Amino acid sequence: GIQVEQSPPDLILQEGANSTLRCNFSDSVNNLQWFHQNPWGQLINLFYIPSGTKQNGRLSATTVATERYSLLYISSSQTTDSGVYFCAAPDAGKSTFGDGTTLTVKP
Amino acid sequence: DAGITQSPRHKVTETGTPVTLRCHQTENHRYMYWYRQDPGHGLRLIHYSYGVKDTDKGEVSDGYSVSRSKTEDFLLTLESATSSQTSVYFCAIKPGQEYEQYFGPGTRLTVT
Repeated sequence: GIQVEQSPPDLILQEGANSTLRCNFSDSVNNLQWFHQNPWGQLINLFYIPSGTKQNGRLSATTVATERYSLLYISSSQTTDSGVYFCAAPDAGKSTFGDGTTLTVKP
Repeated sequence: DAGITQSPRHKVTETGTPVTLRCHQTENHRYMYWYRQDPGHGLRLIHYSYGVKDTDKGEVSDGYSVSRSKTEDFLLTLESATSSQTSVYFCAIKPGQEYEQYFGPGTRLTVT
């Protein structure tokens, strides 16, 4: 099955800084999802992005399917951005998740 | 809100006892999933269902069984709970194979 790797595993930022999270996948995929797990454990859908770039406020995501990676950009980070960010790649009707990037934004 | 509920939300049980977790959805989605989440790991798929009575194993299915007798409910059973099954369990739904997943709130299970 597909292997999904995320980097970096941990990231600490000062409020207001920008960051880039990366997701590499081992095989071609026809879609990719990004999630944010907040400190209360809730999993929130961020992007569903097979290719190209999408933006939602301070967050944007780019997937380059031919090169098997996706990037999540967070600009002007806020303390509420803290949590774990997961990417997931579909594989025959189910999804394989990376191990996540833990983001801590300090005030 | 994808209309997904999980019950119970928290449970403490003893080793060797049977446990059933329930996932309920209100929108008749075809695909339903059970994942577990442990520290240091992402979400790992236990079982999934692609229709009533149609289920298949995920990567960590040993020790778990599932049932889906109606579209809205997907049950996860631990026949004889072990301490290694202490985890947070998430249910997810997906309208179709090429659609995005949505997750329920999770169930925190502790096996003592």
